[in-house]
Amino acid sequence: GAGVSQSPSNKVTEKGKDVELRCDPISGHTALYWYRQRLGQGLEFLIYFQGNSAPDKSGLPSDRFSAERTGESVSTLTIQRTQQEDSAVYLCASSLMGAKNIQYFGAGTRLSVL
Amino acid sequence: SQQGEEDPQALSIQEGENATMNCSYKTSINNLQWYRQNSGRGLVHLILIRSNEREKHSGRLRVTLDTSKKSSSLLITASRAADTASYFCATDGGTGNQFYFGTGTSLTVIP
Repeated sequence: GAGVSQSPSNKVTEKGKDVELRCDPISGHTALYWYRQRLGQGLEFLIYFQGNSAPDKSGLPSDRFSAERTGESVSTLTIQRTQQEDSAVYLCASSLMGAKNIQYFGAGTRLSVL
Repeated sequence: SQQGEEDPQALSIQEGENATMNCSYKTSINNLQWYRQNSGRGLVHLILIRSNEREKHSGRLRVTLDTSKKSSSLLITASRAADTASYFCATDGGTGNQFYFGTGTSLTVIP
């Protein structure tokens, strides 16, 4: 596609439910990042995928958070047993290997946990 | 936290004026980047400056980097209303994997 696509754009859920967020990176981009952005704050690194290498999960805040990516395609971020503090915008970014420092961002998924 | 900090948190200027925002960070870096975020949107990459560079220009943007002070500045000249957005600096922490974003400067350009 022309850019990074994220879905859904908005998600409202009840506390305790599981949610799944999707990211379609730019075709050919081998690197993929997930970030969390709380209201009025900067971006918090969550996880990084690079090709078929083991992902860097060091930013995941708890074991309720997990992410998968198949090859160099779509990634899903799953939050189990959501809590109110999970409410935030979840941003996905992709980049080319070798130029991985320039990231292209999706518009994000705004998650609200009631 | 390795997160950087932007200063000021908010800036309001008249169209045509210059806007300067600063970023401080805590770790060694390979490069530092600036991004813009319009309300409700993702981030857009503006400019990247490597640790061995001191100044870089791109159109109306001028970025400086002082690795001894662990700081960078972004200057937007002849600002326009369309420059209204939040601006973030990001560093790679020397690893190239994780990126550490600052808390952002909210810029408002008044027409």
